[in-house]
Amino acid sequence: EDQVTQSPEALRLQEGESSSLNCSYTVSGLRGLFWYRQDPGKGPEFLFTLYSAGEEKEKERLKATLTKKESFLHITAPKPEDSATYLCAVQSGAGSYQLTFGKGTKLSVIP
Amino acid sequence: NAGVMQNPRHLVRRRGQEARLRCSPMKGHSHVYWYRQLPEEGLKFMVYLQKENIIDESGMPKERFSAEFPKEGPSILRIQQVVRGDSAAYFCASSPSDRGVAFFGQGTRLTVV
Repeated sequence: EDQVTQSPEALRLQEGESSSLNCSYTVSGLRGLFWYRQDPGKGPEFLFTLYSAGEEKEKERLKATLTKKESFLHITAPKPEDSATYLCAVQSGAGSYQLTFGKGTKLSVIP
Repeated sequence: NAGVMQNPRHLVRRRGQEARLRCSPMKGHSHVYWYRQLPEEGLKFMVYLQKENIIDESGMPKERFSAEFPKEGPSILRIQQVVRGDSAAYFCASSPSDRGVAFFGQGTRLTVV
């Protein structure tokens, strides 16, 4: 059974204070790892897909990296508008089409 | 270019009533997924459909829940005889293929009173 664990559960940062969110996963053949952002009362918004260990993707202040066991979402010099819950999900290569999600990291960026 | 459209956004039902949740995928997307999100829990997969076919319903309760994606019209998630435990946010996602990125709608928040 695929499993995704995200840490920390919650993170408070001062504006400009860089940090990383962790996503550890267990999957029977990784088809893809996905990062989403979710604002309160809204649906998840797609950020990145990573497919193989060593791959990195960047978008504005966010950078996602992938190893064989975990992924990191690095946030550089965050702004208050980066406050949200960040969700990690994996898609197995074993014939399954579903995404298995972690519980998310709730990020608060204080001005 | 409209995204995934879900309606209604909020739905209140009394115990024992039926709830119908609708999802129109993004243009060009023929793959639809339904997920449920309970408070303080992660998103849980329910069902995966392509046009007129259920591909994987392993996450959907066997009783009271059903889903369809007809040739014409939106995908429907139907919950019969709702109970308080069905209260949750239900999200629909669509993708252009089984390998494509899934884009989510804004969800339907079901409250059973």
